[in-house]
Amino acid sequence: NAGVTQTPKFRVLKTGQSMTLLCAQDMNHEYMYWYRQDPGMGLRLIHYSVGEGTTAKGEVPDGYNVSRLKKQNFLLGLESAAPSQTSVYFCASSYQGAPETQYFGPGTRLLVL
Amino acid sequence: AQTVTQSQPEMSVQEAETVTLSCTYDTSESNYYLFWYKQPPSRQMILVIRQEAYKQQNATENRFSVNFQKAAKSFSLKISDSQLGDTAMYFCAFMTPPWGKLQFGAGTQVVVTP
Repeated sequence: NAGVTQTPKFRVLKTGQSMTLLCAQDMNHEYMYWYRQDPGMGLRLIHYSVGEGTTAKGEVPDGYNVSRLKKQNFLLGLESAAPSQTSVYFCASSYQGAPETQYFGPGTRLLVL
Repeated sequence: AQTVTQSQPEMSVQEAETVTLSCTYDTSESNYYLFWYKQPPSRQMILVIRQEAYKQQNATENRFSVNFQKAAKSFSLKISDSQLGDTAMYFCAFMTPPWGKLQFGAGTQVVVTP
């Protein structure tokens, strides 16, 4: 099992460009999450999903969109990247019956110039 | 608003010694989970230990143990017999209903020296 994987590992964008971060899990988890981590801060929840076709806003959703078309994938989109979105992005997943146990991906480092 | 506060930005400890990291939180919920996560330089988030609020007994995992004081809303982590591999950023976090959404503190950088 690969667990939770994230694509890409690192990306540089120019202000205004768009991109999509892909999170995939092979554990048949119902719940999936996107977090961002900024220097000197802990992870903050951007969006999350409790099942295929459903998404909800977290603590810092502005400037991001998400989609969960397949149970195993959770996509995070930046329509018009801004320097403030420079961060490390983590995806996580968990079973519906055990949401307290989250499995994290390795992170994607995004630099917006 | 629910908050998690880690007041120690960095702590240094010698190998084989013990270090204690502090964490305080604020919530009006009576049922919740508390966590300590470790983030080494690889950036991978690793769950160290978990405590359920309704359990009075403090959780332990090998060299890691917690001191959970519910009334004081305090959740400290003790690392015993520190090893070089314990060098990492440590995050305190908690989760309240509806379950799934973790809230993290700012982290404490632990440096273990030979």
